[in-house]
Amino acid sequence: ETGVTQTPRHLVMGMTNKKSLKCEQHLGHNAMYWYKQSAKKPLELMFVYNFKEQTENNSVPSRFSPECPNSSHLFLHLHTLQPEDSALYLCASSQPPDYGYTFGSGTRLTVV
Amino acid sequence: GNSVTQMEGPVTLSEEAFLTINCTYTATGYPSLFWYVQYPGEGLQLLLKATKADDKGSNKGFEATYRKETTSFHLEKGSVQVSDSAVYFCARGKLIFGQGTELSVKP
Repeated sequence: ETGVTQTPRHLVMGMTNKKSLKCEQHLGHNAMYWYKQSAKKPLELMFVYNFKEQTENNSVPSRFSPECPNSSHLFLHLHTLQPEDSALYLCASSQPPDYGYTFGSGTRLTVV
Repeated sequence: GNSVTQMEGPVTLSEEAFLTINCTYTATGYPSLFWYVQYPGEGLQLLLKATKADDKGSNKGFEATYRKETTSFHLEKGSVQVSDSAVYFCARGKLIFGQGTELSVKP
């Protein structure tokens, strides 16, 4: 248990499905992040939220839609994904960024 | 620009060998520096950190010293174990990660 909990751990979805990834932290952190980790590629920052407000969107396609209802919860809504979106999606939190991030265990997503 | 560069992997060592994974960074100012470890099937875990020049971070036998002169933060361990097999990421503050270095330790 790292303090950041992600569900589900594994997800297989078809290209026409709609699903959501969930991230939860009770560390009192005010910043939360979504990262994508693909095989043989560097970590890709997707979204940053500070105090529930989105402060960064790294040119992520609109088929990925984040939601941050409060400082403890972060969602990533998925729809009409492509097979190349298959990856490990990592959530992280921090307070503040220079103190280091606490990562969840990730959701392994497979798009078929 | 702002970047973090790590040595290419995979690195394969025998148990009890000495480990060095090089990491250099570019930045304006003096950001905090971190090493994260990712075990198979898991997310990233913070291994150690240093927040200012000449600081040494250490944890689980791993060490790294913040070198301002060489803009480096190399990870070292005197005697690796099979259980150290993982991917190691160097990172600096403001969300910049290196590409990761895979370490494989053989018995």
